[in-house]
Formats: sequence, structure tokens, C-alpha cells
Amino acid sequence: EPEVTQTPSHQVTQMGQEVILRCVPISNHLYFYWYRQILGQKVEFLVSFYNNEISEKSEIFDDQFSVERPDGSNFTLKIRSTKLEDSAMYFCASSPSGTNEKLFFGSGTQLSVL
Amino acid sequence: KQEVTQIPAALSVPEGENLVLNCSFTDSAIYNLQWFRQDPGKGLTSLLLIQSSQREQTSGRLNASLDKSSGRSTLYIAASQPGDSATYLCASTGGANNLFFGTGTRLTVIP
Repeated sequence: EPEVTQTPSHQVTQMGQEVILRCVPISNHLYFYWYRQILGQKVEFLVSFYNNEISEKSEIFDDQFSVERPDGSNFTLKIRSTKLEDSAMYFCASSPSGTNEKLFFGSGTQLSVL
Repeated sequence: KQEVTQIPAALSVPEGENLVLNCSFTDSAIYNLQWFRQDPGKGLTSLLLIQSSQREQTSGRLNASLDKSSGRSTLYIAASQPGDSATYLCASTGGANNLFFGTGTRLTVIP
């Protein structure tokens, strides 16, 4: 069964460093998402991406964050200058046609900012 | 902003029991509601999606209902098994292209 894959599974970085989280969505899906979950808190929406541009973003997704689909398969989330409060599990998701259908989530990248 | 709440936060039941998980949301103008399962250290698996025009969806031992007017959804699990132990999340879609997640119910099924 097709699945969303995320790498790395764990990432440890120093405060102020840049990190790139990588995702390979399901191949025939058109909508891509990043969500995050801080330990003990709700899963929160960060950004949605369709047709090579951001279609929606939350207030969390400030100028420190950016997303890119550099080729036909990868979808990346970049955090320019990490802060302690960026420590969280980051989930990538994809969907054939938006939130009117089921979202398929990857297993996540646990980001720890020291 | 949509607020989604789940009760109880944790539930422990003996194997074979039927159980109900509850989800409530503040804004009834939703497009759909999804139930997810989250296993420790893993991603989220979508279990059921109920469109706003539907009242319920069924998949195997799972049945999800939706009552938009009261802002509630339930997930019914029949004949629970130890493999059902996980955290269950509900999430609503309110027209924007994103999901609002609940706080989750951590289910433990005791053999």
C-alpha cells in the first residue's frame, strides 16, 4: 500500500541552526501538508501546499518556515533559525484532492532543538 | 476558531467490551470530520471520514456518527481487542484546507 515517507525520523539540532525535514508524499496525490505536535499537545496545522504554492498557512508558520517541492517527488519543510519551542514531532501528510478526502500521514520527524 | 474536545482523555477496558469515544466541536459549519488512530512513535492513520451531509460511517468493527447540530461525533468500537490500544483523534475540516484536531483519547484494551 502506498505510504508517505519522512526522513529523518529523529533530528537533533542546536538553537539557531537551519533544519530541513523531508517528505515523499504518495505519488498521485495533489495536496501536501505539514502538521506538528508538541509533546502532550494537540496536532496543529502548519501549512498546506497545492499546485506548487502555499494554499493555506497558520499563524505558527511565520517567516522562519518555508516549504518547497524541489522535484516531482519530495516535499520539504525548512526552519531557518530553530528555537527551543520548535521542538516537536513534525508530520507530513498528503491527500488526493484536499481535506474532502482522507489524509495520509507519514510517521513523523522528531525534532529536538537544544 | 474551531475548538475540538475529546472525552475521556484516557479509557481502559477489558478485551471484548464495546466502547464509545466522544468528540465535540464548537463550530457546526464543518465540511467533514475524520477519526484517526495514533500509535506511539508513529504517524496518524485515518480510520473514518464522515462528510457533513452524512450521519455515520462504518468500517469493520468501527462506527462513527456525526451530529452537526449538536457539534458532536462518536466513535463506537465493537468487541474491543488489545490491538485496538492506541490514541484516537478526531479532526474537523471547516472549509479551509486544514484540520482542527482534538486532544485525543488514549485507549487501553486489557487482555
